[in-house]
Amino acid sequence: NAGVTQTPKFQVLKTGQSMTLQCAQDMNHEYMSWYRQDPGMGLRLIHYSVGAGITDQGEVPNGYNVSRSTTEDFPLRLLSAAPSQTSVYFCASSYNRDRANYGYTFGSGTRLTVV
Amino acid sequence: AQTVTQSQPEMSVQEAETVTLSCTYDTSESNYYLFWYKQPPSRQMILVIRQEAYKQQNATENRFSVNFQKAAKSFSLKISDSQLGDTAMYFCAFMKGIYGGSQGNLIFGKGTKLSVKP
Repeated sequence: NAGVTQTPKFQVLKTGQSMTLQCAQDMNHEYMSWYRQDPGMGLRLIHYSVGAGITDQGEVPNGYNVSRSTTEDFPLRLLSAAPSQTSVYFCASSYNRDRANYGYTFGSGTRLTVV
Repeated sequence: AQTVTQSQPEMSVQEAETVTLSCTYDTSESNYYLFWYKQPPSRQMILVIRQEAYKQQNATENRFSVNFQKAAKSFSLKISDSQLGDTAMYFCAFMKGIYGGSQGNLIFGKGTKLSVKP
């Protein structure tokens, strides 16, 4: 059981480039979400999904795009990378929204640097 | 809107001693959940303990326990018999509840970096 898998683990981008951070889970979890972690800021919610075909914005959605075509995958797209998007990105999932209060399963994170 | 405040950016404790990490939150909700997550240097986020707001009894998980003061909106974490492996960033987090379950999204504090010294 792999849990939540994030790829890549590290990435360096140039300003203006686009890329997709991958997140996949094999636990048949309906609820998936993306957070970014910045020094001194804790984790902040970017986007989330309560099931395939359904996504919604979190606290800091600007500059990011998501889609959920399957239950397993929830990719995060950076449309035109900016230095302000330098951060560590975490994907997290739970069985469903109602049971998220039992805790998430987190991926191991992607450290993104935009130069 | 809900907010979570951790007022101690860094703390240190000697091995085998007890340490308490502070967390306060602000909400107008009556149904919610509170969590402590641990992030060791490996970067992995690990759930340490959770508390349901409608339960008076403080949650306990082995050496970890909480002091939940609902009226004061305080949720501190006590680590007893500290071990070197407890060295990590600790995040307090809030989740709104809805009837029969939860809203799903976590609101995190900024974290407390705990160092356990030998």
